[in-house]
Amino acid sequence: EAGVTQFPSHSVIEKGQTVTLRCDPISGHDNLYWYRRVMGKEIKFLLHFVKESKQDESGMPNNRFLAERTGGTYSTLKVQPAELEDSGVYFCASRRGSSYEQYFGPGTRLTVT
Amino acid sequence: DQQVKQNSPSLSVQEGRISILNCDYTNSMFDYFLWYKKYPAEGPTFLISISSIKDKNEDGRFTVFLNKSAKHLSLHIVPSQPGDSAVYFCAASAVNRDDKIIFGKGTRLHILP
Repeated sequence: EAGVTQFPSHSVIEKGQTVTLRCDPISGHDNLYWYRRVMGKEIKFLLHFVKESKQDESGMPNNRFLAERTGGTYSTLKVQPAELEDSGVYFCASRRGSSYEQYFGPGTRLTVT
Repeated sequence: DQQVKQNSPSLSVQEGRISILNCDYTNSMFDYFLWYKKYPAEGPTFLISISSIKDKNEDGRFTVFLNKSAKHLSLHIVPSQPGDSAVYFCAASAVNRDDKIIFGKGTRLHILP
């Protein structure tokens, strides 16, 4: 079974530009999560999809962040316009409905200069 | 306000000995606890979990103990092996309310030869 995949692995952009991160969950996992780890801090929850619906977006920092999961398969997280404080590693995780364990992807390291 | 605390940033243990990683939490709503292991440039890998209705869960060399009255859990690794060198994250979730995972800051475990 393939794990959670994320693309790109690294992204370096200038302040004010737009970046779109992609996550492909484990096949059959209806639950998809985005998390972020800013340098030196703990991994923090951003939002949770159940299929294509946003279940909880309480962790989204502001309206510069937009997450979508059209069709309930892969998800994208767009940052527009990017700011310096958006730098960090963005993790995606997925979970099967019958269990509580979330399985994480390798992350996308975003650097905003 | 940190809800999951790992007070030891790092821990060094001799190969073959027992590694004990500790974690405290403050939110009494948490009812599911997880440990993740993370290597550099990779995402967190699920290791072991425990429900609040149990006080111990064992999986091979890994055992998690939960003391609800003290709001404390620990991960025991016996015997410790070189491949166990990684950062270990304690995490908690209130699965009956929402299931976002709250992470601690992590403990870096060094297994010494």
